[in-house]
Amino acid sequence: GQNIDQPTEMTATEGAIVQINCTYQTSGFNGLFWYQQHAGEAPTFLSYNVLDGLEEKGRFSSFLSRSKGYSYLLLKELQMKDSASYLCAVRDRDDKIIFGKGTRLHILP
Amino acid sequence: KAGVTQTPRYLIKTRGQQVTLSCSPISGHRSVSWYQQTPGQGLQFLFEYFSETQRNKGNFPGRFSGRQFSNSRSEMNVSTLELGDSALYLCASSEGQGQNEQFFGPGTRLTVL
Repeated sequence: GQNIDQPTEMTATEGAIVQINCTYQTSGFNGLFWYQQHAGEAPTFLSYNVLDGLEEKGRFSSFLSRSKGYSYLLLKELQMKDSASYLCAVRDRDDKIIFGKGTRLHILP
Repeated sequence: KAGVTQTPRYLIKTRGQQVTLSCSPISGHRSVSWYQQTPGQGLQFLFEYFSETQRNKGNFPGRFSGRQFSNSRSEMNVSTLELGDSALYLCASSEGQGQNEQFFGPGTRLTVL
């Protein structure tokens, strides 16, 4: 079956760095996405990885290892507005996008 | 450019009824995907449409159906509603099939009593 695992909740301090991990077992692999979702709002796209390595975009970076079925999202210089759920999603061989259940990130002042 | 719009935003129905939800993608986007989001299961893929054709379907019963019109607007229908269908239904659009970035609408919150 298709499975995407990520921690349910994490807590970090304003100004710090946090890494949110995601492991996946899917029917094929055509790319991995990270989305941010604030409470009561729609998800917004953060990053896309299809090749191994690190993609950096401002304070956010995403890493992929296809051989390990593993990704992480790295958030630097945390701000209070980063308090949100972070969703890991994989596009499988049929182009279906499978989402993990999300990691709720709490930022403490 | 206007974002993805979904109507209605909130809906209350009773068991056994049927419901139709509507999604208007970003202008120029031809691909529309539908998702169900619940606290327990997270975001689950329902189906994807491109150029009026269903490209993909998730693991939902036949009570869930959808369609896409020539202007790329999409509707999804749920018949014989069950309590477990209470969820946030999200629509996402992208420029073409298999595109990397999807833009989500605000969702329709369906409550089944």
